[in-house]
This record gives sequence, C-alpha cells and structure tokens, in this order.
Amino acid sequence: IAGITQAPTSQILAAGRRMTLRCTQDMRHNAMYWYRQDLGLGLRLIHYSNTAGTTGKGEVPDGYSVSRANTDDFPLTLASAVPSQTSVYFCASSRRAGANEKLFFGSGTQLSVL
Amino acid sequence: AQTVTQSQPEMSVQEAETVTLSCTYDTSESDYYLFWYKQPPSRQMILVIRQEAYKQQNATENRFSVNFQKAAKSFSLKISDSQLGDAAMYFCAYIAGGYQKVTFGTGTKLQVIP
Repeated sequence: IAGITQAPTSQILAAGRRMTLRCTQDMRHNAMYWYRQDLGLGLRLIHYSNTAGTTGKGEVPDGYSVSRANTDDFPLTLASAVPSQTSVYFCASSRRAGANEKLFFGSGTQLSVL
Repeated sequence: AQTVTQSQPEMSVQEAETVTLSCTYDTSESDYYLFWYKQPPSRQMILVIRQEAYKQQNATENRFSVNFQKAAKSFSLKISDSQLGDAAMYFCAYIAGGYQKVTFGTGTKLQVIP
C-alpha cells in the first residue's frame, strides 16, 4: 500500500543523545514535511523540503536538522535531545509544494526524552 | 501572523445526529485555502475537506460539509448522520496561497455516543 512509513513508532531517549527519525514515502511526492504535535498546541512545522536536494526551516526548527538526498527519504535528526523535544512527530508529503496540495501523513513517532 | 483558533477542545454527539465544529482564523491574505483534517486513534491524519477562499460555494464531501464565512473568517465543519468511526481529533488548518507553511488549530476531540 502506497504511503508514508515512519520509524520508530515510539522511542524513549536519554537527554543529550542523538536520534534520527526516519521517514520514507513511495508516492514519488516532491514535497515533504516534519511536524511535531503537542497537546494544546496542535501541529507545528519543523522543517520542510520542496524537492530532493533542498530543505527549509519551519516554525520550530531549533534543535533539529533534516536532509533530502533523494525523493523518497526525509530523515529528521535531533543532535542532542532535550526534554522539551518530547512530542509526537509526524512526517508528511504532498505531490508538490503548493498551497492547495493535500498533505499525506505518516502514523507518527512518539518520542520521550528523559 | 496567521492564526487558527478552535475554541472547542472537546465535543460529543449522539450517533446519527449532526454536529458542528467551529474554527476561526486570522489573516490579511486574500488568497488562501482552508482544510479540516481528522486524526483517529491510529494517529494518522487524514484530509476530510478543503475550501478555496475564492470560492463562494461551501465545500461538501458526503456527510461532511463546511460553512465558510469569509468576512467573519469562520470555517466550521458540519458532520451529518454521525457514525462511531467519526470519533477522532479534528484539526482546522490554513495556508496562504503561494506559501509553504500550513497553520493548524489546536484541535477538537469529537466523541460519538452510541
């Protein structure tokens, strides 16, 4: 079934550790996104990529980095995790970058930083 | 800055009845798009319905319809003949034309009572 795969599903991480959340899509979508979801705050954009080889900063980029070496993969890295990065992380994609494009979401990664 | 407000953290509806979820937004843009996304317990966000601001006609998708009041900056979602499978978090979202960033509301948790 075509869609977005995120891994891991959940993770408990010690503060200060490095962590990479994986995201792969098989829909050949050009644009990909990373959001974090926090209770009472909704979803906030961390980073995005309009096409392979390009990335951009979203609303809350500090402490996170991304890369887009190819169309399918868009990993999110926490270089040195802090407790405030405890959240549910969603990867999403759209056929192309644009305001009217439907977003397709993965099932999320629950990350707890202790 | 654009903001999206969902003032109802939780709502409940009797099965087969109709419920309306509220959403207001603030923007100075004239070209934008509005969305309602559903997040069931599985966590995966799914697009329910979308509305282009330049269209006066309210969008409809089967049992889901919107009441788009552009002057009032209001975008409510009506669910008719509610079903148990409609139980979920519902997020209102906004994006300005030509921009990358989708702004989400904080969500409304809908409970469907059998």
